[in-house]
Amino acid sequence: KQEVTQIPAALSVPEGENLVLNCSFTDSAIYNLQWFRQDPGKGLTSLLLIQSSQREQTSGRLNASLDKSSGRSTLYIAASQPGDSATYLCAVRGSSNTGKLIFGQGTTLQVKP
Amino acid sequence: DAGVTQSPTHLIKTRGQQVTLRCSPKSGHDTVSWYQQALGQGPQFIFQYYEEEERQRGNFPDRFSGHQFPNYSSELNVNALLLGDSALYLCASSVGFEQYFGPGTRLTVT
Repeated sequence: KQEVTQIPAALSVPEGENLVLNCSFTDSAIYNLQWFRQDPGKGLTSLLLIQSSQREQTSGRLNASLDKSSGRSTLYIAASQPGDSATYLCAVRGSSNTGKLIFGQGTTLQVKP
Repeated sequence: DAGVTQSPTHLIKTRGQQVTLRCSPKSGHDTVSWYQQALGQGPQFIFQYYEEEERQRGNFPDRFSGHQFPNYSSELNVNALLLGDSALYLCASSVGFEQYFGPGTRLTVT
């Protein structure tokens, strides 16, 4: 059974810092991995999607990496801003590509001005 | 192009009642998935609909049921509500790899 874990559960940093959020999964047979952002009480916004054959994806100040063999992904945020404050969730899709996403519990990030 | 929309935004129900939540997928998307997100937790997969049929189901009791219409919109029904059903219910639509999520419906059961 696939399990997804995110560490740390919460993180507080001063504005301008570079930071890394971690995601680990127990079954390396995944189809893809997706990182989402969630603002309090709101839906999920997709940030980056990495296919199982890829090692990383970049979008602006965000970079996500994937190491399937070790069951790990990281989300790197460069030059953090107060507007980056949110909960970040990673989710994996199993290799059957049936569409079911399995989520971690998220990392809640606070960036202080 | 409208994204995924859900209605209502908020809902308060009493234990034992029944509730119906609605979702309209992003234009061109034919697959709809439903997730339940309890406070402080990641979303949990309920089920997925494709071509008006339930294609996959998560570990949820039969009190949770759904439907997909010919225009790809979908409903989630929950019967005999329990306090533990209080959560944010998220709908996601897709065609291909990536799922796009709606804003969610906040259900409170008292």
